[in-house]
Amino acid sequence: KAGVTQTPRYLIKTRGQQVTLSCSPISGHRSVSWYQQTPGQGLQFLFEYFSETQRNKGNFPGRFSGRQFSNSRSEMNVSTLELGDSALYLCASSRATGNTIYFGEGSWLTVV
Amino acid sequence: AQKITQTQPGMFVQEKEAVTLDCTYDTSDQSYGLFWYKQPSSGEMIFLIYQGSYDEQNATEGRYSLNFQKARKSANLVISASQLGDSAMYFCAMREGSLRYNQGGKLIFGQGTELSVKP
Repeated sequence: KAGVTQTPRYLIKTRGQQVTLSCSPISGHRSVSWYQQTPGQGLQFLFEYFSETQRNKGNFPGRFSGRQFSNSRSEMNVSTLELGDSALYLCASSRATGNTIYFGEGSWLTVV
Repeated sequence: AQKITQTQPGMFVQEKEAVTLDCTYDTSDQSYGLFWYKQPSSGEMIFLIYQGSYDEQNATEGRYSLNFQKARKSANLVISASQLGDSAMYFCAMREGSLRYNQGGKLIFGQGTELSVKP
């Protein structure tokens, strides 16, 4: 059974650029969540999508956005990148009412 | 406000010994779930174990067990017979809301405990 797949794994961007990260959840999982992990702030919730609708949103600026497609795959976008956006971005998937939430390997973003 | 506290930034354990990683939580919700994850240096968050607030028995998954003390709001992870491959960061996390209904998958994480297993 395939796990949560995130692409790309590593990327380097320049300040001011925008980036799109992709997440394919485990088959049958309809909930996809995104988290940002930095050494200073730890793991912080960005947003969650369920059935193509944003169900929860964390406390991040509007530069961070996401969407979910009909096949449950999700993308997150960060526009006008800042140095502080350098982080590991983790995607998680779960069933609608599941008691297990599985994460992908993450996308390491470096902004220079 | 919901909060997870892990008071041990780093811990050492001898190979083959048991170790307990502490986690306390704060929530006003009656229904919630508690999770433990392992994160090796590669970055992947590996699900270890789950405990629901209404579960009367402590959860166990192989060498992992969760010591759930609801009145004290603690959910400590116990790893038995530590192995060198257990060296990693360990995170405790909480999800509020009923798990029988569509309450969302938002997790609140603690700051983590770095476990080092000595040969």
